[in-house]
Amino acid sequence: DTVLTQSPALAVSPGERVTISCRASESVSTLMHWYQQKPGQQPKLLIYLASNLESGVPARFSGSGSGTDFTLTIDPVEADDTATYYCQQSWNDPTFGAGTKLELK
Amino acid sequence: QVQLKESGPGLVQPSETLSLTCTVSGFSLTSYSVSWVRQPSGKGPEWMGRMWYDGDTAYNSALKSRLSISRDTSKNQVFLKMNSLQTDDTGTYYCTGIHTMGITADWGQGVMVTVSS
Repeated sequence: DTVLTQSPALAVSPGERVTISCRASESVSTLMHWYQQKPGQQPKLLIYLASNLESGVPARFSGSGSGTDFTLTIDPVEADDTATYYCQQSWNDPTFGAGTKLELK
Repeated sequence: QVQLKESGPGLVQPSETLSLTCTVSGFSLTSYSVSWVRQPSGKGPEWMGRMWYDGDTAYNSALKSRLSISRDTSKNQVFLKMNSLQTDDTGTYYCTGIHTMGITADWGQGVMVTVSS
């Protein structure tokens, strides 16, 4: 299985720029996707195929990367962005990262 | 717009079988693939298996011996059955819609399943 490693938590102030990283244990090309999950809710697709913004998602969110290293950027961060963010690869049988919990100061 | 809704028991006894139903609206299962994803509380999601639009299935190798996914196209429903449940199978189970390139674009609201005596 392809293991995805994310940093566990981040704390930033509103208006700042934040980058959330995801490293794959093997190359997944650009078959990497990002989700936002708020407490009590299902995950929501933000970015697909590494850098494509899902319809309806604010342009403050962006994604980059290929191969094994990927980044989700939020710029500027807003209070409503408090959530856990997951990466997921679809190069082979799907796997998800353990999530990065984003808190606002 | 596609909608997915999970249904099933909230409590299952250890060693028993879990049966869940995913009802899909807005898209025919003959042109739409569905996966089951579960998530223990406070942990990341885990892909369980997939029903392809053509009726083929794929399973997580860690669950394959206990898991079965089937469908009824006349009712636009996908079914999950998993046997020999243990306490670490407790979590929220989601039915999800798969778009091209394996993008999990659509999610049901999830159903919480607790394995306990």
